[in-house]
Amino acid sequence: GAGVSQSPSNKVTEKGKDVELRCDPISGHTALYWYRQSLGQGLEFLIYFQGNSAPDKSGLPSDRFSAERTGGSVSTLTIQRTQQEDSAVYLCASSPSLDGANVLTFGAGSRLTVL
Amino acid sequence: GDSVTQMEGPVTLSEEAFLTINCTYTATGYPSLFWYVQYPGEGLQLLLKATKADDKGSNKGFEATYRKETTSFHLEKGSVQVSDSAVYFCAPGGGTSYGKLTFGQGTILTVHP
Repeated sequence: GAGVSQSPSNKVTEKGKDVELRCDPISGHTALYWYRQSLGQGLEFLIYFQGNSAPDKSGLPSDRFSAERTGGSVSTLTIQRTQQEDSAVYLCASSPSLDGANVLTFGAGSRLTVL
Repeated sequence: GDSVTQMEGPVTLSEEAFLTINCTYTATGYPSLFWYVQYPGEGLQLLLKATKADDKGSNKGFEATYRKETTSFHLEKGSVQVSDSAVYFCAPGGGTSYGKLTFGQGTILTVHP
């Protein structure tokens, strides 16, 4: 597609429920990233993919968080047993490759509110 | 891993004032350096970048020079406008944090007429 698409744009859920956030990167972009933006916390790296592989999962906050990417395209970030501290905007970005000089193109984000 | 120290905000200026937002980084290797901007209600987007020492990135009147000797990438604009009100993020990319762009905490800029 022309840009990075994320869905849902807004999600309100109850504590303890599971949520899935979807990212559709720019066509042909092999690198895909997930970040979290919390109020007052800046941008926190979660995970990145090169193709379908995730070389670095170090940013995932706990084992309740997982992510996968299939077909070198769409990625899903899953949060199990959501907690109130998971409330944040989850940002997805893609770039042509993992070359550090590449620009990341971000999606509009998925705002998650856990009640 | 890489890290970034970015000038804390919020920064409030009057229109046509001079802007500097400081950014220093720690990274091994030879990272590229980026400034991203987030306008109110919009997604994060690239403002400018520099890929090697002494390069100057520029866009929309903003400039930043890659200073390897001081590991800095300060953002400047000679005359800010109300429309520049946004959150600005500094980030080194590449180096040993290959693939993991590390962002600063962000600086909120508000420009008053």
